[in-house]
Amino acid sequence: GAGVSQSPSNKVTEKGKDVELRCDPISGHTALYWYRQSLGQGLEFLIYFQGNSAPDKSGLPSDRFSAERTGGSVSTLTIQRTQQEDSAVYLCASNKPERSNTEAFFGQGTRLTVV
Amino acid sequence: QQPVQSPQAVILREGEDAVINCSSSKALYSVHWYRQKHGEAPVFLMILLKGGEQKGHDKISASFNEKKQQSSLYLTASQLSYSGTYFCGTEDDNTGKLIFGQGTTLQVKP
Repeated sequence: GAGVSQSPSNKVTEKGKDVELRCDPISGHTALYWYRQSLGQGLEFLIYFQGNSAPDKSGLPSDRFSAERTGGSVSTLTIQRTQQEDSAVYLCASNKPERSNTEAFFGQGTRLTVV
Repeated sequence: QQPVQSPQAVILREGEDAVINCSSSKALYSVHWYRQKHGEAPVFLMILLKGGEQKGHDKISASFNEKKQQSSLYLTASQLSYSGTYFCGTEDDNTGKLIFGQGTTLQVKP
């Protein structure tokens, strides 16, 4: 596709359930990011995939959060045993971190509500 | 380390100017600027590479002082469409990882 695609756009889940959020980056982009944005807050870094390197998971808030990227393309962010504080918009972005132009393109996000 | 933006919020009248600052405790390779309108995804404005360059985008320009590890975004003769939250992003020189400041909310009133 032409842009970064995220699904679902909205997800309401019960506390304690697991959820999977999907991101389909721009074709050819080697880098993929997940950020979390709570209401009225900034872009909290979660995890960074770059090519075949080990992912940078330094932003994951707890071991309930995990992410994988298959075949260097699609990524899935999984939140286990969801809590109310997990409610936020989860944004995915991709770019090509080469030195000439590293503009990041964002998807429209998944709005997660834990009830 | 997350870059620090100031101010946190700005309220302007149409036609007024504003400056948003971004500073980092780490040496910077590049600085990105994005704008996010309410309910939308952040959108790229410009990127500045080390070398002290300045860039412009319509009436929005930015500077990058690598020695001071700072960047500033200048909005001149602001328009209603400039309203939104502005984020600076800093890129790790080795890994390319992009992390963002906490954002500056700009509101332009008629």
